[in-house]
Amino acid sequence: DTGVSQDPRHKITKRGQNVTFRCDPISEHNRLYWYRQTLGQGPEFLTYFQNEAQLEKSRLLSDRFSAERPKGSFSTLEIQRTEQGDSAMYLCASSSLAGYNEQFFGPGTRLTVL
Amino acid sequence: AQSVTQPDIHITVSEGASLELRCNYSYGATPYLFWYVQSPGQGLQLLLKYFSGDTLVQGIKGFEAEFKRSQSSFNLRKPSVHWSDAAEYFCAVATPSGGSYIPTFGRGTSLIVHP
Repeated sequence: DTGVSQDPRHKITKRGQNVTFRCDPISEHNRLYWYRQTLGQGPEFLTYFQNEAQLEKSRLLSDRFSAERPKGSFSTLEIQRTEQGDSAMYLCASSSLAGYNEQFFGPGTRLTVL
Repeated sequence: AQSVTQPDIHITVSEGASLELRCNYSYGATPYLFWYVQSPGQGLQLLLKYFSGDTLVQGIKGFEAEFKRSQSSFNLRKPSVHWSDAAEYFCAVATPSGGSYIPTFGRGTSLIVHP
């Protein structure tokens, strides 16, 4: 079990640039979730996938945000025209379809927008 | 909509002392409740969960939590804290969504352990 991995771990960008993050879930997990965590706050749900289908999106996911999971394995989260308010930790989690569906979290990608 | 309140931003305890972290929730139906721990550079790890049944729930690393419906609380406890328990602790309430559960997290409580 290699766990959930995220790449990059840190990203510094200038305001207005586009950024893309990648999440590789635990291999047998069908569900994949994205969260955002700002300093001093708990994680906030952004969106989740079951296989390649995006089943739910939060109101936090503005038009500048897009997430994909094209083959039902890894997922990408893209932020276009970044703003300073996008600076946060972006967390990915995955779960199986069985039972309670415990979510296993990755270490996160810390984004800093200058 | 559901919400979670963790009233203590920081808690400081001495190693070996007992610990209680407070969590209050607001949710109209029977809640699904969780405690997670987050160490620096690490992902969130599930400590324990409550869905139904026995209101005293045992988790990993010697933690337990008690669901009290009358107080809308789900406080986390540990009888003897170790220095390695220093971390951020998050309480969460989850609602079902398309066969999965989407947790709403509290703002977290930072645990500081003095030697």
